[in-house]
Amino acid sequence: AQSVTQLGSHVSVSEGALVLLRCNYSSSVPPYLFWYVQYPNQGLQLLLKYTTGATLVKGINGFEAEFKKSETSFHLTKPSAHMSDAAEYFCAVTPRTGGFKTIFGAGTRLFVKA
Amino acid sequence: KAGVTQTPRYLIKTRGQQVTLSCSPISGHRSVSWYQQTPGQGLQFLFEYFSETQRNKGNFPGRFSGRQFSNSRSEMNVSTLELGDSALYLCASSLGGAPNNEQFFGPGTRLTVL
Repeated sequence: AQSVTQLGSHVSVSEGALVLLRCNYSSSVPPYLFWYVQYPNQGLQLLLKYTTGATLVKGINGFEAEFKKSETSFHLTKPSAHMSDAAEYFCAVTPRTGGFKTIFGAGTRLFVKA
Repeated sequence: KAGVTQTPRYLIKTRGQQVTLSCSPISGHRSVSWYQQTPGQGLQFLFEYFSETQRNKGNFPGRFSGRQFSNSRSEMNVSTLELGDSALYLCASSLGGAPNNEQFFGPGTRLTVL
């Protein structure tokens, strides 16, 4: 069965510092990969997704993620954190075949210090 | 274009009761997925409907059921409520034609079981 692991339930960075949120998946065939963000008392919003082609994917709000098949990873980065980036971030996968079932990681809460 | 709407936003029930939650997808979207979000378990997939048919189901007991109507609106029902059913229930809609379609999330229904 597919699974998604997000390393670190909480990450704290200073404003202006690099943001790195880690995501690893487990499946023999690379799935479709997504990063979503959830602000307090709101639903989830898609940041970016990887389907095929270029392995470096750019998303909204200055975020990007790189798909590395050899490492089964899809880490999310942003060069310079803003206070408004404080939120919970979820990595998710959907298998390429066999169903429309999205599996989410446990989430990483990002704190941004002034 | 209006987003995904969920009603009600908040609900308080007692053990043993049943509850019905409603989700209206974005116009033109034919797929609706339901998720349960709790602090301990994170986001867990309940089921997904496409054109009134359940295409995928998560690992939840039969007390959790759903349906989709011809206008793509979906309802989720939970019978014989238990304390552990207290959660944020999120609905997401997508075009539904491919597993890499972006999901658009509603704000959720916060269910509290007393």
